[in-house]
Amino acid sequence: NAGVTQTPKFRILKIGQSMTLQCAQDMNHNYMYWYRQDPGMGLKLIYYSVGAGITDKGEVPNGYNVSRSTTEDFPLRLELAAPSQTSVYFCASRTGVENIQYFGAGTRLSVL
Amino acid sequence: AQSVTQLDSQVPVFEEAPVELRCNYSSSVSVYLFWYVQYPNQGLQLLLKYLSGSTLVKGINGFEAEFNKSQTSFHLRKPSVHISDTAEYFCAVSGSFQKLVFGTGTRLLVSP
Repeated sequence: NAGVTQTPKFRILKIGQSMTLQCAQDMNHNYMYWYRQDPGMGLKLIYYSVGAGITDKGEVPNGYNVSRSTTEDFPLRLELAAPSQTSVYFCASRTGVENIQYFGAGTRLSVL
Repeated sequence: AQSVTQLDSQVPVFEEAPVELRCNYSSSVSVYLFWYVQYPNQGLQLLLKYLSGSTLVKGINGFEAEFNKSQTSFHLRKPSVHISDTAEYFCAVSGSFQKLVFGTGTRLLVSP
């Protein structure tokens, strides 16, 4: 089983560039999440989705956008990259019944 | 709103020694508690969870945790650690199953 797949694994962006972080899950989970992880800060929730077509803001949504057109995919968009968005980004998913979030391996992003 | 405090940013320990990683939470409602582990350059995976019932919860790799409502704690323990337990450990709380709030993490360093 692939589980939660994130692409790319690494990316370097210049200030002002845009990019989309991809996240796909093959477990038919309704709930999906995007987190960012900064050293010594734990994980902060950016956006989440409870099903296709439904998204909501988390704790740190500024500078990001999401969409959820299918159950499987939950891309995260950075429109105008800033150095403050240098971080490791994790996508996660869970079912509506279980209480366990399954994480992808992460995308390490540097904005220079 | 919920919050989690992991007071120890780093815990060094010798192989085969016992270890306790501390986690305290605050919440005005009933909570669900989790411990996740992150190995280097990987995503997070669930170690154990407390939803209800017995306050002593056993997880994978010989770890266990005890829910203490009066002290609002959920400390993680292992009687004898291995080199392979070197990782970062995150405590998380959820007042509902939709979202998790993570602590800042504790890095466990096991040396021979």
